[in-house]
Amino acid sequence: EIVLTQSPGTLSLSPGERATLSCRASQSFSSNYLAWYQQKPGQAPRLLIYGASSRATGIPDRFSGSGSGTDFTLTISRLEPEDFAVYYCQQYGSSPLTFGQGTKVEIK
Amino acid sequence: QVNLVESGGGVVQPGTSLRLSCAASGFTFSSYGMHWVRQAPGKGLEWVAFIWYDGTNKVYEDSVKGRFTISRDNSKNTLYLQMNSLRAEDTAVYYCARNNHYDGFGYHDYWGQGTLVTVSS
Repeated sequence: EIVLTQSPGTLSLSPGERATLSCRASQSFSSNYLAWYQQKPGQAPRLLIYGASSRATGIPDRFSGSGSGTDFTLTISRLEPEDFAVYYCQQYGSSPLTFGQGTKVEIK
Repeated sequence: QVNLVESGGGVVQPGTSLRLSCAASGFTFSSYGMHWVRQAPGKGLEWVAFIWYDGTNKVYEDSVKGRFTISRDNSKNTLYLQMNSLRAEDTAVYYCARNNHYDGFGYHDYWGQGTLVTVSS
């Protein structure tokens, strides 16, 4: 099983600041099959990034993904009020599909 | 637009069964694989099961293997999760999610709103 470790657990930032979220895998997996999801309280997750760096439909360009192998990053260039949420990475290259434990981006 | 609506959740006793449904609309259901993903209260996301577009292949997370069965009825545009021998640790919100293509693992491009399953005596 591929274990994904996200850091930090909580990120306290102000609107307008840059957020950098990390996701590290216990082993490399197929073709950068890495996705990022955003989840707000009481809502279902929403796909942000797939294939490590491709933005999903309708996702603003302030969200970007990068990385390969075992180290991946989600960057939010300038935080908007609606971006404060929990973010999960997921690998979908091998079974079982696994998620990281999440990074909460909170208002400082 | 793509719409996924789960139903069937509720409060059940340990050792009993429950069947969840996920009604799909706004896309050609029979052309996409589908997943179940769960989230225990206050916890992170956990993938549960995946079914190919035609139902011929199914894959499960180890803790539910032998107890849960994923299935689909493409004539009714509906995904199911039959959950038997339920345990307290199965308590979670269960989401259905669309796979981004018809076979093989992919990312979850659309999600339902979830249905809560509580296993408690």
